[in-house]
Amino acid sequence: DVKVTQSSRYLVKRTGEKVFLECVQDMDHENMFWYRQDPGLGLRLIYFSYDVKMKEKGDIPEGYSVSREKKERFSLILESASTNQTSMYLCASSFTHGRGNSYNSPLHFGNGTRLTVT
Amino acid sequence: QKEVEQNSGPLSVPEGAIASLNCTYSDRGSQSFFWYRQYSGKSPELIMFIYSNGDKEDGRFTAQLNKASQYVSLLIRDSQPSDSATYLCAVLSGSARQLTFGSGTQLTVLP
Repeated sequence: DVKVTQSSRYLVKRTGEKVFLECVQDMDHENMFWYRQDPGLGLRLIYFSYDVKMKEKGDIPEGYSVSREKKERFSLILESASTNQTSMYLCASSFTHGRGNSYNSPLHFGNGTRLTVT
Repeated sequence: QKEVEQNSGPLSVPEGAIASLNCTYSDRGSQSFFWYRQYSGKSPELIMFIYSNGDKEDGRFTAQLNKASQYVSLLIRDSQPSDSATYLCAVLSGSARQLTFGSGTQLTVLP
């Protein structure tokens, strides 16, 4: 079974702090993603990565950055946390099979990190 | 305009009934379609995926895809109270490599 592990289940941080959310997957997946989930807004993509040292912006990248130094690890960084970044953060991974992008494997999600910024 | 639309519900069905969850998408080039189930406080888990027009069955679950109508649905037969959850539709468009999620439909199965 694919395992996607997020380092923290709950985090409480103060406004202005730099926050690191870590995610590790054990299935050698090429693709890794960071989403946030808020009531009524669903899952929104923050950043994703197709390979080591690669990153691409998702739908809501403002206020966030990411790092992928190793294939299995994808970190989300809040440079200066703000209260509107209070949310559930979900990491996911997948692999790409077949030619092109048409047949990405389904996403496998971690258990999520509930971040509260006060 | 949202790219993936779902009726947010809540949808309530009695135990043993068929629950029908619907999803429409805007990108005609979309290739892959996924249904995830999310229990309260938990992360989404994959239920079904479908790539081709028609029906795909897995146990009590049937996914239906109609690319001409840009419509994908999930049927849950013999609904159980344990099926009560939020169901997320996700679409992989032809031009992107990431999934776009609908906002989810909350399903309640009443004993």
